[in-house]
Amino acid sequence: DAGVIQSPRHEVTEMGQEVTLRCKPISGHDYLFWYRQTMMRGLELLIYFNNNVPIDDSGMPEDRFSAKMPNASFSTLKIQPSEPRDSAVYFCASGWTGNETQYFGPGTRLLVL
Amino acid sequence: QQQVKQSPQSLIVQKGGIPIINCAYENTAFDYFPWYQQFPGKGPALLIAIRPDVSEKKEGRFTISFNKSAKQFSLHIMDSQPGDSATYFCAASFSGNTPLVFGKGTRLSVIA
Repeated sequence: DAGVIQSPRHEVTEMGQEVTLRCKPISGHDYLFWYRQTMMRGLELLIYFNNNVPIDDSGMPEDRFSAKMPNASFSTLKIQPSEPRDSAVYFCASGWTGNETQYFGPGTRLLVL
Repeated sequence: QQQVKQSPQSLIVQKGGIPIINCAYENTAFDYFPWYQQFPGKGPALLIAIRPDVSEKKEGRFTISFNKSAKQFSLHIMDSQPGDSATYFCAASFSGNTPLVFGKGTRLSVIA
């Protein structure tokens, strides 16, 4: 299995631009988590899905952030408009019911200038 | 409010030494306590995990010690190697497939 796939791996954009991060979970997994990693705040949950349905989005910073999971094999995290404080590494992780292990992707390093 | 506190922030040990990383949690409803290992440029990967009904778990050179009454748990790495140099995160979650609450991480360097 290829593991969790994230794209792009690196993104540099200017303040005010729209950013879309993509994630392909491991086949057969029914849970998908989006985390953000910064030096100041560490790893924090943004949102998670079960069977493509958002369960908890309380970690989403504000209305500029949105996430979707249109099917079991694809999820997006969108930031519109982006701001310099959104600069971070964004991780997607997946798992399956009955096993608490979360499998992380390689992350997307976002820099907003 | 930081629900999982991790220490130290960084740690340097000689090859063969036994680094110990400590974590404390606040919410007694947490039911699952994993440790994740992260190498530069990579995502975290599960190393070992424990539940509160067990006081110790060992997998290879890695051991978790768990003290439920003190709400603390720790990771010990026996016979540490330079390849163990990475950032280690403790975490906690509720039962079921719930989100992980992470500690801030410990950067470990094992020098030859």
